[in-house]
Amino acid sequence: GESVGLHLPTLSVQEGDNSIINCAYSNSASDYFIWYKQESGKGPQFIIDIRSNMDKRQGQRVTVLLNKTVKHLSLQIAATQPGDSAVYFCAERRSSGGYQKVTFGTGTKLQVIP
Amino acid sequence: GAVVSQHPSWVICKSGTSVKIECRSLDFQATTMFWYRQFPKQSLMLMATSNEGSKATYEQGVEKDKFLINHASLTLSTLTVTSAHPEDSSFYICSAGASRISTDTQYFGPGTRLTVL
Repeated sequence: GESVGLHLPTLSVQEGDNSIINCAYSNSASDYFIWYKQESGKGPQFIIDIRSNMDKRQGQRVTVLLNKTVKHLSLQIAATQPGDSAVYFCAERRSSGGYQKVTFGTGTKLQVIP
Repeated sequence: GAVVSQHPSWVICKSGTSVKIECRSLDFQATTMFWYRQFPKQSLMLMATSNEGSKATYEQGVEKDKFLINHASLTLSTLTVTSAHPEDSSFYICSAGASRISTDTQYFGPGTRLTVL
């Protein structure tokens, strides 16, 4: 079936190091991808997005890479800080029944070691 | 930025009772609202999509009669969990978009923790 999944359920990173969170998707019809950060007990927070006609997009300390050939998405966080500790979800958007639906991946927990 | 609120932030109820959760867009008109459910240590699962003034579109496996969604205005959508049971205990999250066509910008609420005893 169609799915968006992550390779690593938990990632521990030393403070100051770079973090890379990976995501595999299976629906080639998806045209838009988003990364969200969710802290415990809170709703998802938008981090960065990328359209399918791009392969890289940069934000403040974050970069998203999209490889459509292998259906792979990654989020890179530079100089990881304790405040980055959270669960990160990739999500894909596709059209379905006249609406555009966002499907979330399984999530990766990022633990930053001080 | 756009703000979406949910009320209540948490609720505890007895089995068999109904619970209403509100989702409001505070500073923009939300043409489309989405309701998600999230179990502990799991991802968000889309339950339904609602457009203002029309019936909600439910995802496969979500009972329409159990999870009543009303999107009566451009700033308010409600989710009513009817005859709640312990297995309905979950974190319910709404999101709102300003466009019926595009979900490029989807703003999430803070979530509502439902515990059914």
